[in-house]
Amino acid sequence: ETGVTQTPRHLVMGMTNKKSLKCEQHLGHNAMYWYKQSAKKPLELMFVYNFKEQTENNSVPSRFSPECPNSSHLFLHLHTLQPEDSALYLCASSQDSGNVGEQFFGPGTRLTVL
Amino acid sequence: GQNIDQPTEMTATEGAIVQINCTYQTSGFNGLFWYQQHAGEAPTFLSYNVLDGLEEKGRFSSFLSRSKGYSYLLLKELQMKDSASYLCAGGAGGYNKLIFGAGTRLAVHP
Repeated sequence: ETGVTQTPRHLVMGMTNKKSLKCEQHLGHNAMYWYKQSAKKPLELMFVYNFKEQTENNSVPSRFSPECPNSSHLFLHLHTLQPEDSALYLCASSQDSGNVGEQFFGPGTRLTVL
Repeated sequence: GQNIDQPTEMTATEGAIVQINCTYQTSGFNGLFWYQQHAGEAPTFLSYNVLDGLEEKGRFSSFLSRSKGYSYLLLKELQMKDSASYLCAGGAGGYNKLIFGAGTRLAVHP
């Protein structure tokens, strides 16, 4: 148990659907992250939130829309996705993003876009 | 630019020692992380080096040479459960931003 949970664990959606991924951390951290992990590719940082404020958007297409209502919860809203967006989406948290430190990862959501 | 290179796959025998190398080029480098990821699971933290030298933690050790842009993860007394992907990640920038390599998939055989 890493203290970071993600739901759903698996998601299949069509290109016209709208869905949301949820992440919750129970570690009292102040920074949360979204990563994309495609087969045989490096983990790609998508977004960083520190104390609920977005501090990094790594040139992510607007069809991915993050939301961070508080330091414990992070959402990724999905709409009009493409098949190449199929991947494992990982959430992580750390004490804060202003200092280098260990990031704790959730188990991920395996997304398939048809 | 930002670049992390590590071998794609390695195999080793149970009980042996294996060294997984990583070379990096990151701007604003502020440390080198190693994570372990079993298939279908979350990456888990193994080690962090910010200064040159060897950090030992049980069966796992990690080494860093900042002048050479080089790190390695050393796994001793290999066990079957060590079969996993090992991710090298460089800290980049003035905050906790990690640039990951593609990972090294290690297979441990009896």
